[in-house]
Amino acid sequence: EAQVTQNPRYLITVTGKKLTVTCSQNMNHEYMSWYRQDPGLGLRQIYYSMNVEVTDKGDVPEGYKVSRKEKRNFPLILESPSPNQTSLYFCASSPKPSLGLAGVETQYFGPGTRLLVL
Amino acid sequence: GNSVTQMEGPVTLSEEAFLTINCTYTATGYPSLFWYVQYPGEGLQLLLKATKADDKGSNKGFEATYRKETTSFHLEKGSVQVSDSAVYFCALRIRNTGFQKLVFGTGTRLLVSP
Repeated sequence: EAQVTQNPRYLITVTGKKLTVTCSQNMNHEYMSWYRQDPGLGLRQIYYSMNVEVTDKGDVPEGYKVSRKEKRNFPLILESPSPNQTSLYFCASSPKPSLGLAGVETQYFGPGTRLLVL
Repeated sequence: GNSVTQMEGPVTLSEEAFLTINCTYTATGYPSLFWYVQYPGEGLQLLLKATKADDKGSNKGFEATYRKETTSFHLEKGSVQVSDSAVYFCALRIRNTGFQKLVFGTGTRLLVSP
């Protein structure tokens, strides 16, 4: 089954304790993203990656890191979590678009990781 | 810039009622438009999409038409079911080269009662 998986699904932690949220896709997609979802703000992009070893900042990258050492995995790293990073996090992947069709491809989302930072 | 505006929720309807969720957008380029649905406790799923003006996306009885003249992509369904209760997100993506993120609206919660 084609899917995007995230782990853990739920996490409670304390300020300053480093954590990693894993994301894996089995669709051989080139593009991957991380979003956070907050009430009244919708989803905002944190980081994205266009391929292995190619990552870039989204709209709200502060306090986060990512890496893309393998095509299928795109972990999100919070080196020193703070309470304002309490949120619902989604990983997404999509195929590299065909020439002339950029923006048309579908993004596939993981089930989400709910993070609470105390 | 690029942005999406959705109607505030929650939208509360009885089963078999007609549904409209309004969505308007502003875009600096030529966008593709999407509706995603998020069921309780789950991730977002693509509901439908339209990639050019006057296209109609449809799926599971839901429809939305890409209206360039009014910069709108309103979601409609003729007869909602309890199982349609979810949060609906309108989104756009600029058609261009390179990576183009999805720009989401704030979401509209739909509650359908029996």
